[in-house]
Amino acid sequence: DTAVSQTPKYLVTQMGNDKSIKCEQNLGHDTMYWYKQDSKKFLKIMFSYNNKELIINETVPNRFSPKSPDKAHLNLHINSLELGDSAVYFCASSQLTSGGRETQYFGPGTRLLVL
Amino acid sequence: DQQVKQNSPSLSVQEGRISILNCDYTNSMFDYFLWYKKYPAEGPTFLISISSIKDKNEDGRFTVFLNKSAKHLSLHIVPSQPGDSAVYFCAARGEPGGTSYGKLTFGQGTILTVHP
Repeated sequence: DTAVSQTPKYLVTQMGNDKSIKCEQNLGHDTMYWYKQDSKKFLKIMFSYNNKELIINETVPNRFSPKSPDKAHLNLHINSLELGDSAVYFCASSQLTSGGRETQYFGPGTRLLVL
Repeated sequence: DQQVKQNSPSLSVQEGRISILNCDYTNSMFDYFLWYKKYPAEGPTFLISISSIKDKNEDGRFTVFLNKSAKHLSLHIVPSQPGDSAVYFCAARGEPGGTSYGKLTFGQGTILTVHP
């Protein structure tokens, strides 16, 4: 009963291909996120959705398109993959409490390698 | 522009001793701070947090201290255990209405190794 799950865990593909990563959370949270951890190990936010609506869109190439069919799922589709897209992608979810506290819970990550 | 910095890439501590991990930030609009622990091939796991209205929060062996004037926070682990060996990330969230609200800005992590 994993709280935040991602599939696949590993993804190896050729440059120019299109691929998707799926994320599901069973915590009942309203908000979901995609983060990218690059080769220097920095974790940077890419997108955030609240109740299926996009609320944060950082400076990310438009080859990356998130899709949220419902508030428990946030998928990431990447078109025309490039070498620089190789990274670990983490999905997360959170719920804002009345006290303003908001803890984000992360999935295990998807390791993408573009050859 | 790195708004959250962990200047020590690694820390080595003997079992039973105190581990102190440090984090500095530059954005005065941050109002909520968190520490995450990450094992290899896993996602970050929430450890402890602190609101900007407090200067200390304690949970078992873990204590986070916040010095707002210095824009500095630290995580103390006492006593340290070999199972604490992991990468520790500090993260910050901006206050409501600000550009950093709703997203976490992470430091680059500190690798903690606790020797038996």
